[in-house]
Amino acid sequence: DAGVIQSPRHEVTEMGQEVTLRCKPISGHDYLFWYRQTMMRGLELLIYFNNNVPIDDSGMPEDRFSAKMPNASFSTLKIQPSEPRDSAVYFCASGTGTEAFFGQGTRLTVV
Amino acid sequence: GQSLEQPSEVTAVEGAIVQINCTYQTSGFYGLSWYQQHDGGAPTFLSYNALDGLEETGRFSSFLSRSDSYGYLLLQELQMKDSASYFCAGQNTGGFKTIFGAGTRLFVKA
Repeated sequence: DAGVIQSPRHEVTEMGQEVTLRCKPISGHDYLFWYRQTMMRGLELLIYFNNNVPIDDSGMPEDRFSAKMPNASFSTLKIQPSEPRDSAVYFCASGTGTEAFFGQGTRLTVV
Repeated sequence: GQSLEQPSEVTAVEGAIVQINCTYQTSGFYGLSWYQQHDGGAPTFLSYNALDGLEETGRFSSFLSRSDSYGYLLLQELQMKDSASYFCAGQNTGGFKTIFGAGTRLFVKA
C-alpha cells in the first residue's frame, strides 16, 4: 500500500480564495482524521470520521472550514474564504482505532 | 475535554537512555500513543498503551499508569537519528478521538 496520500503537497493562495485539500486513506482503515500543525498551536485535531461519517468536528475553527468524506477512499478539507492565519501544515491520517498513519501533509500558505 | 502535558525539550548523549514523560487529563480515557516526528516530516506511530504496564518495541518502550494519569516513552541506546519531536496522544472511549500533546523536542548530542 502506498500509505495515506495527500494532495497538493504545497499550496500558496491569496487571501479570500477557496482552498481544497485532498486525502486518500489507506484501504481498509475505517477512521480518518484531519489535523493542522503550527508552531504556536501544535497538532490540532480538526475533525474525524468513522466509516465515512463525521464523528467530532469540534476542532474545526470556523464555518469557513468544512470537510467531507463521500466514500471510504476519499476525503476533502475545504477552506472558503481562506485567511493568512490559516497558513499551516494540514495532515490527514487514517487508522483502525489505536494507531494512526499520517500522510506527508499539505503546506498551505495564504498571502 | 482532553489535555496532555509533556516537557518541551530534552537533551541527551548518544548511547544514553532518555525518558519523556506525559501526564494527561481526559474524560473517558482509553489509551495513550506515542509518535515521532522529524523536522519537515509527518508523525509516525511508535507505540500504544491501553493497559497499565510497559510495552517494549526494540529500543523504544512505553509505560502507562492509569491510576496516576501518567505515561512515559523510554528510548534506549540513543542514536543521532533519534533527534526529533515526540508526541504523546490520548484517546477517549467511544470514538477514538485522538488528541496530541504539544510535543517534546529531543536533542541527541555526540
